[in-house]
Amino acid sequence: LAKTTQPISMDSYEGQEVNITCSHNNIATNDYITWYQQFPSQGPRFIIQGYKTKVTNEVASLFIPADRKSSTLSLPRVSLSDTAVYYCLVGADTGKLIFGQGTTLQVKP
Amino acid sequence: GAVVSQHPSWVICKSGTSVKIECRSLDFQATTMFWYRQFPKQSLMLMATSNEGSKATYEQGVEKDKFLINHASLTLSTLTVTSAHPEDSSFYICSARGGKEQYFGPGTRLTVT
Repeated sequence: LAKTTQPISMDSYEGQEVNITCSHNNIATNDYITWYQQFPSQGPRFIIQGYKTKVTNEVASLFIPADRKSSTLSLPRVSLSDTAVYYCLVGADTGKLIFGQGTTLQVKP
Repeated sequence: GAVVSQHPSWVICKSGTSVKIECRSLDFQATTMFWYRQFPKQSLMLMATSNEGSKATYEQGVEKDKFLINHASLTLSTLTVTSAHPEDSSFYICSARGGKEQYFGPGTRLTVT
């Protein structure tokens, strides 16, 4: 299983764009990259998933370079409610997901 | 998006008793479900993988006789914490795979007194 490395914490201000980068040097050919958001005492919430290049949905964008050894979650114009822990996970669609330490994002007014 | 529910959302039990937690996929069929445990200020730790109609696969260090998992149907998996002790107090989260994506339940807070 690919191991991921993320910054432990990040600070931002309301209205700014936040980019969280995740390293996954040992990603396998059939692994997808998935990002989750977790608030205290809640289950993780799916944000976005991708395999390569760029994926965008209504809440975030995911940038994946050609070598797929890293990925960057981009949150446009964050608000206070985006304060949460963000997890980057890699795994095949038939496999299990192992959580790393995640990135605690603190959005300040 | 797909919805996964858990019941109960919180439970308090006395040491030595057993507690059952249910996990349901509400709008999709899940051949595989997963159970995680999360202690305060820590990440989620995978406990076991549950496949419908077969025995669960436990992660190293997780006692299968203490944490009984049953996946009787494509929409329901249960985790039973047997002979619970205070150190079993934790936040238990299930997830279900729907296609390439994995959806998580809201979690169950277990407190053993």
